[in-house]
Amino acid sequence: AQSVTQLDSQVPVFEEAPVELRCNYSSSVSVYLFWYVQYPNQGLQLLLKYLSGSTLVKGINGFEAEFNKSQTSFHLRKPSVHISDTAEYFCAGGTSYGKLTFGQGTILTVHP
Amino acid sequence: NAGVTQTPKFRVLKTGQSMTLLCAQDMNHEYMYWYRQDPGMGLRLIHYSVGEGTTAKGEVPDGYNVSRLKKQNFLLGLESAAPSQTSVYFCASTTDGVTDTQYFGPGTRLTVL
Repeated sequence: AQSVTQLDSQVPVFEEAPVELRCNYSSSVSVYLFWYVQYPNQGLQLLLKYLSGSTLVKGINGFEAEFNKSQTSFHLRKPSVHISDTAEYFCAGGTSYGKLTFGQGTILTVHP
Repeated sequence: NAGVTQTPKFRVLKTGQSMTLLCAQDMNHEYMYWYRQDPGMGLRLIHYSVGEGTTAKGEVPDGYNVSRLKKQNFLLGLESAAPSQTSVYFCASTTDGVTDTQYFGPGTRLTVL
C-alpha cells in the first residue's frame, strides 16, 4: 500500500527567504506524485504534479519539486517566498482510479 | 463555470441525526471523490465514483453511504451521525483518473455534538 509522509508539520520562514517542504513516499507500483495547496478556509488546488519524464517539475506561483527515486522523495521548493504563500501544503500520491493518498500536511507561515 | 460546489457550507448535528452532503460539478467529469480532513491527518478518502451509477469504498468508508444517480452530482450520507464524524468534508472531481488534476470544492464543516 502506498504511504506519503510529510516530515515537517510546520515551517516558519521570513519573506524572501527560500523554503523547502519535505515529502517522502513509499510505493511498489507506478509513482504519480502531487503537491496541493490549501489557503485558509478554502479547498485544495494543484501546485504541480510528477507523472513521468523530467525529475524537476515546475508548478504555479514559482514552486518546483524534484522527484528522487533513490531517496523516495518529492520535496517542494521555492527560492523566495511571499506573505501570500502562507498556507497548508499537502503532498499526495496517486493510485488506481485517481485515488489520492495524502500526507499529513505542512503549514507554511511566512513572516514579514 | 462554477467548478465544484458543495452544499451546505456548515452544519451542526446531534448524535444520531442523519444528513446528506451534496457535491455538484459542471465540468462533465467522470470521477468524483469524497474526502474528510482532520487536523494532523491530511485528507482521507471516504468513497469514490468512476462514473454515473457507480460507487466504491475508500480508506475510511464506515458510517457513510454515497450515491451517484446523475453524473454531475455525488451525495454523501450520514445515517446516524457520531462525534467521530466531526470533520471538514471535501468533494473533488477529475476527468480521467490517476494522472489528471483533481478539482476540489470549498468544503463542508460538520460538527456532531
